Amino acid sequence: EAGVAQSPRYKIIEKRQSVAFWCNPISGHATLYWYQQILGQGPKLLIQFQNNGVVDDSQLPKDRFSAERLKGVDSTLKIQPAKLEDSAVYLCASSLEYTQYFGPGTRLTVL
Amino acid sequence: QKEVEQDPGPLSVPEGAIVSLNCTYSNSAFQYFMWYRQYSRKGPELLMYTYSSGNKEDGRFTAQVDKSSKYISLFIRDSQPSDSATYLCASGNSGYALNFGKGTSLLVTP
Repeated sequence: EAGVAQSPRYKIIEKRQSVAFWCNPISGHATLYWYQQILGQGPKLLIQFQNNGVVDDSQLPKDRFSAERLKGVDSTLKIQPAKLEDSAVYLCASSLEYTQYFGPGTRLTVL
Repeated sequence: QKEVEQDPGPLSVPEGAIVSLNCTYSNSAFQYFMWYRQYSRKGPELLMYTYSSGNKEDGRFTAQVDKSSKYISLFIRDSQPSDSATYLCASGNSGYALNFGKGTSLLVTP
């Protein structure tokens, strides 16, 4: 069974630029999560989708972050404009029931 | 107060030692308890999960949850250098996002 796929793996941008991350969850997993992991911290939820509807986006900085999950499968997370404090690993996870499986993450560096 | 607290370490042990990793959580409604292992520059890998209180064993790994004290533990027997990683505990409920600790960095020296 293929795991959660994410791209790109690494991205370096300058502050105020925009960036987008892509996630393809495990086939059949209805729930998809985007987490932000800052160095030395555990992952923190940004947004949760159930199929293509948003379940929880309470911690998403909506003035600069946006996410969508078209057709209930792939998802994209966008940051515009990026700030220095957005430097982190962005992790996508998917689940069928209670166990969440993570992708390799996208490491973002904002200069 | 964070939902899940975990000592970040680092923890250094010799090969073959028994390792004990611990977390506490604050929300008594949490039903699921997970341990993830994260190697450097990789995504978290699900190691074990437990529903409600009790123990669960898988090879050299034992997960333990005590809901009365809100305490989560992971024991690693006969630790190996390949166990060197960051271990993340997490808790939550089915259908909801997990609440993670900061992770404990473990180094097993040959």
